[in-house]
Amino acid sequence: AQSVTQPDIHITVSEGASLELRCNYSYGATPYLFWYVQSPGQGLQLLLKYFSGDTLVQGIKGFEAEFKRSQSSFNLRKPSVHWSDAAEYFCAVGAGTGANNLFFGTGTRLTVIP
Amino acid sequence: EAEVAQSPRYKITEKSQAVAFWCDPISGHATLYWYRQILGQGPELLVQFQDESVVDDSQLPKDRFSAERLKGVDSTLKIQPAELGDSAMYLCASSLDWDTGELFFGEGSRLTVL
Repeated sequence: AQSVTQPDIHITVSEGASLELRCNYSYGATPYLFWYVQSPGQGLQLLLKYFSGDTLVQGIKGFEAEFKRSQSSFNLRKPSVHWSDAAEYFCAVGAGTGANNLFFGTGTRLTVIP
Repeated sequence: EAEVAQSPRYKITEKSQAVAFWCDPISGHATLYWYRQILGQGPELLVQFQDESVVDDSQLPKDRFSAERLKGVDSTLKIQPAELGDSAMYLCASSLDWDTGELFFGEGSRLTVL
């Protein structure tokens, strides 16, 4: 069965600092991997996705993620965080009926301090 | 910009009452999903539609939950009777097709059961 682990419940970073959010997955086949962001009072928005090919994936808002099969990880990174990046971040694996059948992690809440 | 519409945004009900949520996906999106997000957890898929057909409802508690998408456009999720443990955010999402890798989420309907 598939699972997604986001070990950090809450992370606080200073504006302008770099960011890395961790995600580990468990899935028997080649995974489809995603990062979604949920701002307060809003729905989830796709940041980036990995299906195949280049293991370093670029997304929106300056985010990137790297798929490491040997570590079963798909960590999200951003070189310089902006105050508007404060939100909840969810890693997800696509399983079952197509890539869109998403299984989400429990999320990491990001706080950005001035 | 096209959005997924959900209503109501907030619903407070007493246990044993019936409650219904409505979702209007982005025009032209064939696939529609209902997710439940309990506070502090990631979204969990309840049901997935492809046009008017149910593709996956394995996680839908069918003794009290029902979902329909009669004309393959908008959808209704019903709970009858509501229980205290049903308090959660109910998220609707849509995608162009079942394997595109990108879901578009609505803002959700927050249910509180007293």
